[in-house]
Amino acid sequence: EIVLTQSPGTLSLSPGERATLSCRASQSVNSNYLGWYQQKPGRAPRLLIYGASIRATGIPDRFSGSGSGTDFTLTISRLEPEDFAVYYCQQYGTSVLISFGQGTRLEIK
Amino acid sequence: QVHLVESGGGVVQPGGSLRLSCAASGFTFRNFPMHWVRQAPGQGLEWVAVISFNGDIKVHADSVKGRFTISRDDSTKTLFLQMNSLKPEDTAVYYCARDPFVGVPDYFDYWGQGTLVTVSS
Repeated sequence: EIVLTQSPGTLSLSPGERATLSCRASQSVNSNYLGWYQQKPGRAPRLLIYGASIRATGIPDRFSGSGSGTDFTLTISRLEPEDFAVYYCQQYGTSVLISFGQGTRLEIK
Repeated sequence: QVHLVESGGGVVQPGGSLRLSCAASGFTFRNFPMHWVRQAPGQGLEWVAVISFNGDIKVHADSVKGRFTISRDDSTKTLFLQMNSLKPEDTAVYYCARDPFVGVPDYFDYWGQGTLVTVSS
């Protein structure tokens, strides 16, 4: 099983600032099969990024993903009030198992 | 548009059983693999199970293997999760989610709103 470790656990920033969230895998992720989700309280997760860097349908271009191998990053270029939420990375494409990171909480400073 | 609606959650005693359902609409259900993902209160996401588009392949997480069974009925566009021998640590919101591609498990492009399962005496 691939273990994903997200950092920081909590990130405190102000609207308009840039957010950088990290996801590190315990072993190389096949073909960059890495996704990012946003989850707000009481809501289901929403897909933001797949294939490490491809924005899902309807996702604003202030969200971008990068990285390869074991190190991946989600960047939000200019935070909007609605971006404050919990973010999860997920690896997929392995023979059977899917795993998620433990999440990064992005809070308003 | 794609819509997934879970039902069947509730309170059950340890050792009990529950069957979750996920009604799909807005897409050709039989063409897509489907998953269950859960989230314990205040915790992160945990993948539970996947079923292939044709139902031939079913894979369950080690934490539920032998106790939970995923299945599907393409005639009613419904995904199921039969949960037996429930434990308190199974307490969670259970989400169904669509996998956009046939083949190895992928990301989840659509999610339901979730149904809460509470295992408690």
